[in-house]
Amino acid sequence: ETGVTQSPTHLIKTRGQQVTLRCSSQSGHNTVSWYQQALGQGPQFIFQYYREEENGRGNFPPRFSGLQFPNYSSELNVNALELDDSALYLCASRPSGVNTGELFFGEGSRLTVL
Amino acid sequence: AQRVTQPEKLLSVFKGAPVELKCNYSYSGSPELFWYVQYSRQRLQLLLRHISRESIKGFTADLNKGETSFHLKKPFAQEEDSAMYYCALSGGNTGFQKLVFGTGTRLLVSP
Repeated sequence: ETGVTQSPTHLIKTRGQQVTLRCSSQSGHNTVSWYQQALGQGPQFIFQYYREEENGRGNFPPRFSGLQFPNYSSELNVNALELDDSALYLCASRPSGVNTGELFFGEGSRLTVL
Repeated sequence: AQRVTQPEKLLSVFKGAPVELKCNYSYSGSPELFWYVQYSRQRLQLLLRHISRESIKGFTADLNKGETSFHLKKPFAQEEDSAMYYCALSGGNTGFQKLVFGTGTRLLVSP
């Protein structure tokens, strides 16, 4: 099945470390957004990228940053990890020309910070 | 502020019983409302949008602006409906920026 793929699926880090999570979306999906889902909570918007530029950000500190590349892949970087950063991180993409909340999600990267 | 409230963490019903998953929202403009579903070991996926006004897998949801609600309903639950359901909102006036999700309701349909 083609769609949004994320890597790694699971990873463990320690406080203060840095992490990079990766996402590959479908061809033609030029908008990508990242969400954080803590245990027992709904996904929470981190930021959105459109044509390689950030065009929307949620209530997350600057140590959460991202990149989007021309080949429809993207990254989420988190510096100075804290225990509360432990969560499932979801990447979601949206087709070009579609301006609604219909998103295509990946399976997520589960980050554990010790 | 945009907020979505799903008051029930768990809804347990028997097969064939009616189902209503509650969703209330807070938004000052004209929102776009969605239901997303996550089946076991699958990714989060769109179930339905209020704009399309369609029935998907027997589920319907009507936007009630007076009560600021978008409850999900199905007259006869099936075991395969067991999943995690999330209500979500996006700001319709300014174009899509983000989805605001509720905390989700786990639907368990027993035989």
